[in-house]
Amino acid sequence: EAQVTQNPRYLITVTGKKLTVTCSQNMNHEYMSWYRQDPGLGLRQIYYSMNVEVTDKGDVPEGYKVSRKEKRNFPLILESPSPNQTSLYFCASSAIRLTSTEAFFGQGTRLTVV
Amino acid sequence: GENVEQHPSTLSVQEGDSAVIKCTYSDSASNYFPWYKQELGKRPQLIIDIRSNVGEKKDQRIAVTLNKTAKHFSLHITETQPEDSAVYFCAASMSNTDKLIFGTGTRLQVFP
Repeated sequence: EAQVTQNPRYLITVTGKKLTVTCSQNMNHEYMSWYRQDPGLGLRQIYYSMNVEVTDKGDVPEGYKVSRKEKRNFPLILESPSPNQTSLYFCASSAIRLTSTEAFFGQGTRLTVV
Repeated sequence: GENVEQHPSTLSVQEGDSAVIKCTYSDSASNYFPWYKQELGKRPQLIIDIRSNVGEKKDQRIAVTLNKTAKHFSLHITETQPEDSAVYFCAASMSNTDKLIFGTGTRLQVFP
């Protein structure tokens, strides 16, 4: 089954404790992206990747890191989480450019930083 | 910066009525406009999209219209059903980048 898989689904952590949210897709998609969803603000892009070893900042990259060592994986890293990073996070992938074709979203990761 | 404005933020309709959600965008070179539906606790899923060389597109009860001159596009849902209840997001591509800018979402409630 074609899908985008994120882990974990739920995470509660403390301020400053490094964490990684994993994202994997099995559709051989070139483009992958991370979004955060907050009430009243919609979906805001954090980082995206056009292909292996190619990443770029979205609109809200501060406090986040990503890597794209393999085509299928695109982990999101929070080196020192803060409470303002409490949010619902979605990973997405698309066959080619996100600006011209359907994005497939993961099931979401709800992160709480206390 | 570039942005997408979406209205209304909430919309309540009676089953069988029509629902219209409107979005405006700022980048005149935007050429791809998808709409995503997010049911409660679920992931966003594409329901329809339109490209800048087309003025209207229909898929059963759903239609999207695009007015490039005014830089706005709208989602029309006819004969609404309770299962249409969800949050709907519009989005617009940003020229010369690989970014898709989303609107802030519309929570649609369809009452039986």
